[in-house]
Amino acid sequence: SQELEQSPQSLIVQEGKNLTINCTSSKTLYGLYWYKQKYGEGLIFLMMLQKGGEEKSHEKITAKLDEKKQQSSLHITASQPSHAGIYLCGADITGAGSYQLTFGKGTKLSVIP
Amino acid sequence: DTAVSQTPKYLVTQMGNDKSIKCEQNLGHDTMYWYKQDSKKFLKIMFSYNNKELIINETVPNRFSPKSPDKAHLNLHINSLELGDSAVYFCASSQPGPPETQYFGPGTRLLVL
Repeated sequence: SQELEQSPQSLIVQEGKNLTINCTSSKTLYGLYWYKQKYGEGLIFLMMLQKGGEEKSHEKITAKLDEKKQQSSLHITASQPSHAGIYLCGADITGAGSYQLTFGKGTKLSVIP
Repeated sequence: DTAVSQTPKYLVTQMGNDKSIKCEQNLGHDTMYWYKQDSKKFLKIMFSYNNKELIINETVPNRFSPKSPDKAHLNLHINSLELGDSAVYFCASSQPGPPETQYFGPGTRLLVL
């Protein structure tokens, strides 16, 4: 079974629209990471959340971790073509401090100009 | 300057061959990782390694072995390649202590024929 569920699997939005990607686990997320993957460019670190209720923003992207630390959302405001890519959530679900991350399947975002 | 680099970017080889993928990081990080992203887009940890400890995901076949000539490099050797080894392999590194943000390389796309 998949330990990190991401939804939706793919998303097509018009430029300028807002969107939200969700990442859910049945286990406690001891550290939740959001990455963006572009073909040939590897994984680009976006944000990391650790505390329940934490929220971070960078430019037009906001990530939140719920109080129970089992769900995170990534919100993009006024999307642009440069936001297109695959967004992956990764988390430490062991709590053992091994820093080995488990990843969701990713959400493929397409932004139509 | 590229923080985490991998070579080669693409690798096409025959079943049964032995191959290596190189990874170098210039961030001064102590811990490095190898991940495998399979055809279903799952990204799974294979190894994590620092000066003190090699942690192996128990599902990784022993045909896969990491080799670290120095702190800045963690190479992945694969013996007797199989069709199922076809995937994208990502190297990552992180600094000690929280937050353990991992920085990823661009990935190596391996195709076993």
